[in-house]
Amino acid sequence: EIVLTQSPGTLSLSPGERATLSCRASQSVSGNFLAWYQQKPGQAPRLLIYGASHRATGIPDRFSGSGSGTGFTLTISRLEPEDFAVYYCEHYGNSPQEFTFGPGTKVDIK
Amino acid sequence: EVQLVQSGAEMKKPGESLTISCQGSGDTFKTYWIAWVRQMPGKGLEYMGIILPADSDTRYSPSFQGQVTISADKSVSTAYLHWSSLKASDSAIYYCASLYLGYFTAWGQGTQLIVSS
Repeated sequence: EIVLTQSPGTLSLSPGERATLSCRASQSVSGNFLAWYQQKPGQAPRLLIYGASHRATGIPDRFSGSGSGTGFTLTISRLEPEDFAVYYCEHYGNSPQEFTFGPGTKVDIK
Repeated sequence: EVQLVQSGAEMKKPGESLTISCQGSGDTFKTYWIAWVRQMPGKGLEYMGIILPADSDTRYSPSFQGQVTISADKSVSTAYLHWSSLKASDSAIYYCASLYLGYFTAWGQGTQLIVSS
């Protein structure tokens, strides 16, 4: 069973700053099945990035994903006020079929 | 993209049964796997299981196998999550989401469940 670890747990930044979030897998995973989600308080999660680096429909280009193997990164180039939220990484494994979420990184206003 | 609308918040007592629903838009609903995801208060996201409404093929996460029942009725484009005997620890927000190539591409608004005596 693959375990995803996210760091830091909380990231305190100011609007306009760059955010770098990490997601590490307990074993090598296919980047094709690594995604990032954003969740704001009281809202459902929203898909940001799929296939490790592809932005979902309507996602601003200040969001970017990268990485492979056991280490993946979500970068927000310049934080906007609406970007302060919790971010989860997720992996889909097909043998056995399982969907695993990381514990999340909260990006809050410094 | 499929749109998902979930049933409203519920307050139940331990031991009671409950079914919550997730209705999708149009014919595209039948072609996507629909997942259920739990979020306990102040916690992260947990995958529970998935169903393909077209033929009701259902898979469960080992953590939730035997604890809930997932079903669907393609004639009304609706997926369901059922508990036969609720526990206080079932209190959470439950989301349905459409699945495409391993990603949860669209989400329902969530159904809050409170189980308390």
